[in-house]
Amino acid sequence: AQKITQTQPGMFVQEKEAVTLDCTYDTSDQSYGLFWYKQPSSGEMIFLIYQGSYDEQNATEGRYSLNFQKARKSANLVISASQLGDSAMYFCAMREGGGSNYKLTFGKGTLLTVNP
Amino acid sequence: DAMVIQNPRYQVTQFGKPVTLSCSQTLNHNVMYWYQQKSSQAPKLLFHYYDKDFNNEADTPDNFQSRRPNTSFCFLDIRSPGLGDAAMYLCATSRGPPSYEQYFGPGTRLTVT
Repeated sequence: AQKITQTQPGMFVQEKEAVTLDCTYDTSDQSYGLFWYKQPSSGEMIFLIYQGSYDEQNATEGRYSLNFQKARKSANLVISASQLGDSAMYFCAMREGGGSNYKLTFGKGTLLTVNP
Repeated sequence: DAMVIQNPRYQVTQFGKPVTLSCSQTLNHNVMYWYQQKSSQAPKLLFHYYDKDFNNEADTPDNFQSRRPNTSFCFLDIRSPGLGDAAMYLCATSRGPPSYEQYFGPGTRLTVT
C-alpha cells in the first residue's frame, strides 16, 4: 500500500482563485510529520509547509495552509489567491516515527497549472 | 545566503564512463541526502548520511556510491552509468528535530549517451 497518495495528477485553477491539492497518508506511528514541496520546471524542490502529528492547529505559511484532518489521515494543501508563478509540480511527503528516522516518503505529485 | 549547491547543473557522460556529482551546503546540517528523480516521478532516495554514518537504501544499485569527506560536502559517484541512470539527481540537507524538513539543491541533470 502506498504511504502517500495524491489522487490528482493534474489540476487547473484561475489566477487569483484558491485551490486545494489533496494528500492522504497511511501510517501506524503516532509521531509523524507531513510536508509539502513545490517543484517548478527548473527542478529545484522548494519546501512550503510542515505539519506535525501532534500539532493541534493547521499550519499556515503566507498563502499556503495545510488542512490537517488526522482522523481521516489527510493533509491537503490550500493555496489562496493563486498566481501564475504557482504553476508547478507539488509533492506531499511524510516522515514517520521517532527521532532517528530522517527519511521522507513522497507522493507521486500533482501538476498545478494556473491560468491567467 | 545559506544554501545547498550542486555542481554541475548539467552533466553529460558516456555509457559506462564514471561520473561524480557534487553537493555542498552552508547550512551546517547534519544530514545529507541523494535522490534520483526521473521524468514525471517522485524523488527516489538513494542514500543519506547522518554526520559520517552512511545509510544505503535497500534497492539502491551497487553502481551508485557516495562519499562525505566533511560536513559541507557530499559526492555521488556512478561507477558505470547506464542509459537508465539518466535522471535529475537532487541533493538535500536536513536540520533534524523538531520538523526534519529537507532543503534541496537545484539538482544535476544527468544525460547518458
